[in-house]
Amino acid sequence: DTAVSQTPKYLVTQMGNDKSIKCEQNLGHDTMYWYKQDSKKFLKIMFSYNNKELIINETVPNRFSPKSPDKAHLNLHINSLELGDSAVYFCASSPSTSGRAFHEQFFGPGTRLTVL
Amino acid sequence: GENVEQHPSTLSVQEGDSAVIKCTYSDSASNYFPWYKQELGKRPQLIIDIRSNVGEKKDQRIAVTLNKTAKHFSLHITETQPEDSAVYFCAASKGYSTLTFGKGTMLLVSP
Repeated sequence: DTAVSQTPKYLVTQMGNDKSIKCEQNLGHDTMYWYKQDSKKFLKIMFSYNNKELIINETVPNRFSPKSPDKAHLNLHINSLELGDSAVYFCASSPSTSGRAFHEQFFGPGTRLTVL
Repeated sequence: GENVEQHPSTLSVQEGDSAVIKCTYSDSASNYFPWYKQELGKRPQLIIDIRSNVGEKKDQRIAVTLNKTAKHFSLHITETQPEDSAVYFCAASKGYSTLTFGKGTMLLVSP
């Protein structure tokens, strides 16, 4: 019954490796997001997808590439991992970004990425 | 773009006391202001939100106030309990756009 799920929960890897984090939501939402939460707990938006189309791409290195195979999934692929990529990555979803509606964002459980 | 400032960064209170967390925003077009609670090791979860056509909203022990003129909004928690201990985030958006979060306030409620 999990609304927004992410895998894996923990990811430990070496510098230079490529890794992916998967996200799925079963809420029927149109919009999905990726956030990075650093050690100081700051939540920073990375990407936002609406109906599989990229609508927000904050200043994120090209090594990060989101992929949305369908409306219910938004995966995050990271190339050439660096020490500074260590953080907790949260996926989230909301019903829509269209119109003037106000919508709660539902967060996944997070993926703690540690780059050694 | 929007900029949200949040204070204090940490707040320690005794059980039963009130706690107040304040946020300011920069974009006068912002019209939606949610508050999220994140317990240790858990995901952020919405606890209350307010829209720009409302000045105050209450839900049991928590309340949020909004001053559009001054561009600030606050979270008030009364009769705090140890289970209120968490990081609280304010956020702002234009409703249909993405949220801009404040940097969070770590609230510690001591028994």
